[in-house]
Amino acid sequence: EVQLVQSGAEVKKPGESLKISCKTSGYTFINYWIGWVRQMPGKGLEWMGIIHGGDSDTRYSPSFQGQVTISADKSINTAYLQWSSLKASDTAMYYCAKWLPGGYYFDYWGQGTLVTVSS
Amino acid sequence: DIQMTQSPSSLSASVGDRVTITCRASQTISSYLNWYQQKPGEAPKILIYAASSLQSGVPSRFTGSGSGTDFTLAISSLQPEDFATYYCQQSYSTPYNFGPGTKLEIK
Repeated sequence: EVQLVQSGAEVKKPGESLKISCKTSGYTFINYWIGWVRQMPGKGLEWMGIIHGGDSDTRYSPSFQGQVTISADKSINTAYLQWSSLKASDTAMYYCAKWLPGGYYFDYWGQGTLVTVSS
Repeated sequence: DIQMTQSPSSLSASVGDRVTITCRASQTISSYLNWYQQKPGEAPKILIYAASSLQSGVPSRFTGSGSGTDFTLAISSLQPEDFATYYCQQSYSTPYNFGPGTKLEIK
């Protein structure tokens, strides 16, 4: 069974750093891409970027390039999303999702990680 | 970047109704168009991929059509569990942007 299990909710202050995780199982991590999607409170889905589990080739949306870093550790089948200096506007739910090559869609999703940034 | 628009942004309908949601891409994307459903407090779920292919396990009352720049999601005979927000997404080129969503509410 394919599973993507994300790390728990975080409450941070502006300027702090953060790294959230997406641990996968049930499929061959190195053969697939994992994407990250932001959903701000009451708003729609925003595609942030995607990373290949095998070679860590990463593509970012221009809207998020330089604002976040996406990484992966294939030894533990886990993808990460990190910030070096959080802003209040980073408050959102963040989802990881597995990208199906050939089909070109997200077929499995994590449960989401709520990040709250407040002073 | 390819921008996606959806209409309407919200829609009220009754159980048993047929509804359609439209998605438009800012440039041609062939059939690289997906539809997701999201219910409150849940992660999105894939319904339709490649414009018209029904994901396994999704009821046949959901149908997708279109190619190029204009696409449609149709739901025949609405069921109570269909009231949710629907997003289109292009998978033609990165960034694989989503549309702004259509909220389907009970009339």
